[in-house]
Amino acid sequence: QSALTQPASVSGSPGQSITISCTGTSTDIGAYNYVSWYQHHPGKAPKLVVYDVSYRPSGVSNRISGSKSGNTASLTISGLQAEDEADYYCSSYTISRIWVFGGGTKLTVL
Amino acid sequence: EVQLVESGGGLVQPGGSLRLSCAASGFTLSAYWMSWVRQAPGKGLEWVANIKQDGSEEYYVDSAKGGFTITRDNAKNSVYLQMNGLRVEDTAVYYCTRRGPGTSKRDSWGQGTLVTVSS
Repeated sequence: QSALTQPASVSGSPGQSITISCTGTSTDIGAYNYVSWYQHHPGKAPKLVVYDVSYRPSGVSNRISGSKSGNTASLTISGLQAEDEADYYCSSYTISRIWVFGGGTKLTVL
Repeated sequence: EVQLVESGGGLVQPGGSLRLSCAASGFTLSAYWMSWVRQAPGKGLEWVANIKQDGSEEYYVDSAKGGFTITRDNAKNSVYLQMNGLRVEDTAVYYCTRRGPGTSKRDSWGQGTLVTVSS
């Protein structure tokens, strides 16, 4: 099972919006609405920011949103803030009954 | 407060074994799928294995099959990862996570335990 494909890095200025894509196949992202996204600051535990494609856990900023079209999921962060700078990972369930993560995207707030 | 606390990491020689433990508190362990996720130095997250609420089903990433075994003891509020035949490429921080049934909501993670495989 191959990892999902994410851009290695994205950047934006404070106040701007960015979108991180996560591309899979018809055997993972395209097969289920079991896509989640995690924010990871180095040295800390990853934090869930979106689950089941577009749901936000309580306490997560409404500046963060998720979506999916076909085999590609996306995470959008609007009104960028310095605290958003982190690594972001997508994850999906697969038809093999295992889970797979994306390679991760480093978000830089300029 | 939900807490997951990993332990058991350390330095081991190639071919050696380690048993990781995850102590759960603040929630009913038997209601959740439990997983291990790892991150090798400088690399991304990799899902390793998971186990169903009652321990009746287990799934593994291909690289863990045959060498790793995930188990749980709901009465002891604990989840384990037995790792045999360790290789240098198994060097990573190993995280314990929980996920509710029928959802991708992996909402709690431990702080991780470092496994270093080196001669």
